[in-house]
Amino acid sequence: DGGITQSPKYLFRKEGQNVTLSCEQNLNHDAMYWYRQDPGQGLRLIYYSQIVNDFQKGDIAEGYSVSREKKESFPLTVTSAQKNPTAFYLCASSITAVSYEQYFGPGTRLTVT
Amino acid sequence: GENVEQHPSTLSVQEGDSAVIKCTYSDSASNYFPWYKQELGKRPQLIIDIRSNVGEKKDQRIAVTLNKTAKHFSLHITETQPEDSAVYFCAASSGGGSNYKLTFGKGTLLTVNP
Repeated sequence: DGGITQSPKYLFRKEGQNVTLSCEQNLNHDAMYWYRQDPGQGLRLIYYSQIVNDFQKGDIAEGYSVSREKKESFPLTVTSAQKNPTAFYLCASSITAVSYEQYFGPGTRLTVT
Repeated sequence: GENVEQHPSTLSVQEGDSAVIKCTYSDSASNYFPWYKQELGKRPQLIIDIRSNVGEKKDQRIAVTLNKTAKHFSLHITETQPEDSAVYFCAASSGGGSNYKLTFGKGTLLTVNP
C-alpha cells in the first residue's frame, strides 16, 4: 500500500472556501491522476498529468485546478466554483500513462457545508 | 470521448458460484482494459488487465475475456468466496500521447453470501 499518500483523510470546509488536497508518490512514476468518487458514479477523472509541468483536463475539470511542479507531487485545489464539492477524492499514479497499472492513494473525503 | 457501460450494478451470489460482470466501450481504438477491486473503505486495486492483442487472460479464479469486434469485455470469477465481496470497476483506455487516459465504468457491487 505504501508509495502514494494523500492527506488529510478527512477534510471539512465551509462553502465558498478553496481547499487543496495533497497527493505525494515516491514510486518515481511519471503519470499522476485525480478522480472523484460518488456513490453509483464510479471513478470520474478530474485532471491528469503525464509529465512535470504539464497536465490535462479530465471529464469533470470545472471548479478544480492542479499543478505539477515536482514529479512526486500533484496537488488538487477544489475552488468555490465547484458546485457540489462534497465527495471522496482519489489520487493515482502510474509508471507512464500508457497501458500501465494505476496505483491509488487512500483517498480524501471532503465535506463542504 | 470514450464511454464505458458496466452491468450489472449489483450482483449477489452464493459462495462457490461463479460471477460475471460485463462492460462495453465505445472507442474502437481502446487497447487496454483493466479491472479494479475496491473493498469497503479501501483504495481500488488492480486485479487483472488485458490488452487488445489478447482474447482471454486467466489468473487463478479470475479471468477476463475481450471481444474487440463487439467492443465488450467481461470479468469472470469462479468458486466465489466471501472475501470476493467488493465493488469491481472496469476501465478502457482512450486517447493518445499526452491525452492518454482511462475511463471507468460505474462499478458493480458483488456480494458473496456464505
